[in-house]
Amino acid sequence: NAGVTQTPKFQVLKTGQSMTLQCAQDMNHNSMYWYRQDPGMGLRLIYYSASEGTTDKGEVPNGYNVSRLNKREFSLRLESAAPSQTSVYFCASSKTGSGWELFFGSGTQLSVL
Amino acid sequence: AQKVTQAQTEISVVEKEDVTLDCVYETRDTTYYLFWYKQPPSGELVFLIRRNSFDEQNEISGRYSWNFQKSTSSFNFTITASQVVDSAVYFCALSTDYGGSQGNLIFGKGTKLSVKP
Repeated sequence: NAGVTQTPKFQVLKTGQSMTLQCAQDMNHNSMYWYRQDPGMGLRLIYYSASEGTTDKGEVPNGYNVSRLNKREFSLRLESAAPSQTSVYFCASSKTGSGWELFFGSGTQLSVL
Repeated sequence: AQKVTQAQTEISVVEKEDVTLDCVYETRDTTYYLFWYKQPPSGELVFLIRRNSFDEQNEISGRYSWNFQKSTSSFNFTITASQVVDSAVYFCALSTDYGGSQGNLIFGKGTKLSVKP
């Protein structure tokens, strides 16, 4: 099983460019998440989707949009990238409700110049 | 407010030493879950353990052990006889249903452990 697959693994953007990070899981999980990881900051939640058809803001949603395309796929879009969005992005999935561990993708290293 | 504090930013030990990573959490919920994840230099996040708020029994898995104490809101992680392969960033995390958060994990800032040969 692939688990959680993220693409791309690396990306360099210029300020103002847009891009979409793709995420897919094959574990039949209802809940999916996008986190960003910055040095010394841990992981911070950007958006999450508790189930297909729903999305909600996390701790740091500004500058991002998400789409829960279907049960398997949850994409993260940067409409106009800024240097402050330089980070490592992780997609994750889990069973519905609290108490379940998150399964993470391998991450996307994004640099915005 | 929900919060996880890992006060130790970096720890360096010599192989075979025991090391304890501290985690202190804050929540008003009576039902909550605590987690530890490992992030080796390769960057992936590896789940280590989950503990619910009603189970204060300590857990041991090989060289790893976890001490959960509700009285001090702590969930500490001990590695016995550390090895170079234990070098990683370790994250403690908290999950509650507060505000309908539905299982979102709130992470501490992580502790970087370096084990030297």
